[in-house]
Amino acid sequence: AQSVTQPDIHITVSEGASLELRCNYSYGATPYLFWYVQSPGQGLQLLLKYFSGDTLVQGIKGFEAEFKRSQSSFNLRKPSVHWSDAAEYFCAVGGSSSASKIIFGSGTRLSIRP
Amino acid sequence: GAGVSQSPSNKVTEKGKDVELRCDPISGHTALYWYRQSLGQGLEFLIYFQGNSAPDKSGLPSDRFSAERTGGSVSTLTIQRTQQEDSAVYLCASSSQPAFFDEQYFGPGTRLTVT
Repeated sequence: AQSVTQPDIHITVSEGASLELRCNYSYGATPYLFWYVQSPGQGLQLLLKYFSGDTLVQGIKGFEAEFKRSQSSFNLRKPSVHWSDAAEYFCAVGGSSSASKIIFGSGTRLSIRP
Repeated sequence: GAGVSQSPSNKVTEKGKDVELRCDPISGHTALYWYRQSLGQGLEFLIYFQGNSAPDKSGLPSDRFSAERTGGSVSTLTIQRTQQEDSAVYLCASSSQPAFFDEQYFGPGTRLTVT
């Protein structure tokens, strides 16, 4: 069965510092991978997605993620965070064995230190 | 254009009462999803509609939960005989194609509190 693990519940970084949020997945075939962001008082928004091809994907708001099959990971990165990046981040995995749903991780809450 | 809307935004109900939560997807989106987000938890998949049919109901936690979709548009999630553990934010999302082909667009959610 597919699953997603986000090992960090809460991360605090200083504004301007680099960021990496971890995501590990379990899936038997090539997964479809997503990162969503949930800002306070707002709905979830897709940051980026990986289906195939180049393993480094670029998303909105300056985020990128790298698919590493050997490590079953899809970590989210940003070179320099802004205070507005404070939010909850969710990694998700889907695949062709279940065309109907995406499994979400439990989320990582990002706080920004001024 | 308009995004996904949900109503009510907040609902407080007494234990044992029935509640109905409504979702209006983006016009033209054929796929519709319901999720539940409990405090400190990720998103828990409940049910998926393609058109008016629900090929995957595997996430519904009990037979107290049901959902329908009419006209390929509006969907209603009904919880009968609510329990305190049903308290959560219920999120609806829609997409133009099944999720792994397309981005899901989420509504703002309905916060349900069962007292």
